Amino acid sequence: NAGVTQTPKFRVLKTGQSMTLLCAQDMNHEYMYWYRQDPGMGLRLIHYSVGEGTTAKGEVPDGYNVSRLKKQNFLLGLESAAPSQTSVYFCASSSKQGSSNQPQHFGDGTRLSIL
Amino acid sequence: AQKVTQAQTEISVVEKEDVTLDCVYETRDTTYYLFWYKQPPSGELVFLIRRNSFDEQNEISGRYSWNFQKSTSSFNFTITASQVVDSAVYFCALSGVGGTSYGKLTFGQGTILTVHP
Repeated sequence: NAGVTQTPKFRVLKTGQSMTLLCAQDMNHEYMYWYRQDPGMGLRLIHYSVGEGTTAKGEVPDGYNVSRLKKQNFLLGLESAAPSQTSVYFCASSSKQGSSNQPQHFGDGTRLSIL
Repeated sequence: AQKVTQAQTEISVVEKEDVTLDCVYETRDTTYYLFWYKQPPSGELVFLIRRNSFDEQNEISGRYSWNFQKSTSSFNFTITASQVVDSAVYFCALSGVGGTSYGKLTFGQGTILTVHP
């Protein structure tokens, strides 16, 4: 029962470095999302995807890029990391079933620190 | 724009006390979904409940109950006879339906619940 798997779980970067966070889901879900969680602010949507090859901006997309080349994978990239991007990142996926919004399944999160 | 407000940042109770977590939302949509998620100290997010805006019936699941009042745009969560294992951060969230909503969630700030033995 893998569900949604995020790698890595922890990472420390220096300002200006780049990295990619990987999200993989094995539930054949159409929709995938990337959120960031900061103290006192809940989770905020960075980017999302409604299908293979399609991505869209969420609430806080600046400084991030995403790609969904395969249905099961959703990658989040930081081209030039900044201290403001220190956060816990969560990937989620959900099924597309008509108009009824299915619950999102979340990964365990990636704790990212930018020094 | 959608907005979810959880008025209580932190709540501290003693085991066996009842506790209610408040959630107020704003949306222009006539149809929408409301959710509650739990985030225990281990960090993962656990889905608790989903409620659509057409269904105003209260729901009970064991020690958990939810009170949805469309007239006041509230979706409150009550834990009866709280236990130490209930200690977690609880998030209320809102999603539109159909169109370009694509299940995107707007989260509240979260309420940190601490249950002391």
